[in-house]
Amino acid sequence: GQNIDQPTEMTATEGAIVQINCTYQTSGFNGLFWYQQHAGEAPTFLSYNVLDGLEEKGRFSSFLSRSKGYSFLLLKELQMKDSASYLCAVSDSNYQLIWGAGTKLIIKP
Amino acid sequence: GAVVSQHPSWVICKSGTSVKIECRSLDFQATTMFWYRQFPKQSLMLMATSNEGSKATYEQGVEKDKFLINHASLTLSTLTVTSAHPEDSSFYICSVPQGDTEAFFGQGTRLTVV
Repeated sequence: GQNIDQPTEMTATEGAIVQINCTYQTSGFNGLFWYQQHAGEAPTFLSYNVLDGLEEKGRFSSFLSRSKGYSFLLLKELQMKDSASYLCAVSDSNYQLIWGAGTKLIIKP
Repeated sequence: GAVVSQHPSWVICKSGTSVKIECRSLDFQATTMFWYRQFPKQSLMLMATSNEGSKATYEQGVEKDKFLINHASLTLSTLTVTSAHPEDSSFYICSVPQGDTEAFFGQGTRLTVV
């Protein structure tokens, strides 16, 4: 079956760095997405990785290793507004998005 | 500005009534739109793929007669929850894919059935 695993909840301190991991097992792979979702709102796009390596975009970076079925989202200089759920999703061989359950990130002052 | 507009943002309805949710692609034509449902503290669950000019494709376990999807034009898809029950209360979200690398989401609709 298809499976996306990410931690349920993480806590970090304002100004610090946090890494949210995602492992996946899917039938085919056409890229991995990270989305941010604030409570009660729709997800917003953060990043897309289809090749191995690190993609940096401001305070957020995303890493992919296809051979390991592994990705992480790195958030630097954390701000209180970064408190949200972070969703990992993989596009499978049919380009259908398979979603992880999301990681709730709590930022403390 | 918003690329995808979903309406209404929230709705409360009585059991047994029907509710229509609209999803509009504002910036580009969309032959395909996706409808998701999200229960509290759970992941997004794909309900169906809306196809312009043809019938929607429903995921296993989703009743097509209960969740009616109409992709009326290249910019509009509607989801109608028929004969709504309290267990249908959920957050419904549409998304419009752009190529293979991005998907734009509507604002979501919070449905509460009382």
